[in-house]
Amino acid sequence: ETGVTQSPTHLIKTRGQQVTLRCSSQSGHNTVSWYQQALGQGPQFIFQYYREEENGRGNFPPRFSGLQFPNYSSELNVNALELDDSALYLCASSFITSGKEQYFGPGTRLTVT
Amino acid sequence: KNEVEQSPQNLTAQEGEFITINCSYSVGISALHWLQQHPGGGIVSLFMLSSGKKKHGRLIATINIQEKHSSLHITASHPRDSAVYICAVSSYGNKLVFGAGTILRVKS
Repeated sequence: ETGVTQSPTHLIKTRGQQVTLRCSSQSGHNTVSWYQQALGQGPQFIFQYYREEENGRGNFPPRFSGLQFPNYSSELNVNALELDDSALYLCASSFITSGKEQYFGPGTRLTVT
Repeated sequence: KNEVEQSPQNLTAQEGEFITINCSYSVGISALHWLQQHPGGGIVSLFMLSSGKKKHGRLIATINIQEKHSSLHITASHPRDSAVYICAVSSYGNKLVFGAGTILRVKS
């Protein structure tokens, strides 16, 4: 059984650019959630995907979008990057949407300059 | 006021000490999670509980649903326990709402 993986590990982008972050869910998991963790703070919920459909969204603007693929891997896309988007981006997978333990990936550290 | 509050924010202990980290929440939940985050970012789930008490090795987690309060205890603390400990709650849909974390440093 493979764990949750994320790529890339680190990324540096310039303000205004676009970025795509990737997450491969744990085998057998059909739900993925994305979180943003600014330095020194707890993670904030961005959105959740269940069976390729968005299943809940946090307080993030539309320039944060996502996809979930038939193999349950997932992407987080951020357009028009802002300096405040610099953070650790975490994905977590689980089986079914509620009441189940979530398994976190190692995160992608995004720096926007 | 945040939906999930943790205390203390920072904690320094001597090796062998008994440690308690507290978590209070203000929303209805389906479960409460205790997570551990090491430098570099990776998060490991320690406990998920909705009632009572769970124990794993030197770690014990308790929850009081009526009082909306949970505690994480570490017995016989060790320097390798040094990490950030995060309390999070989940409601319908499994969205997690996180506390700000407790930075624990255990000195030898």
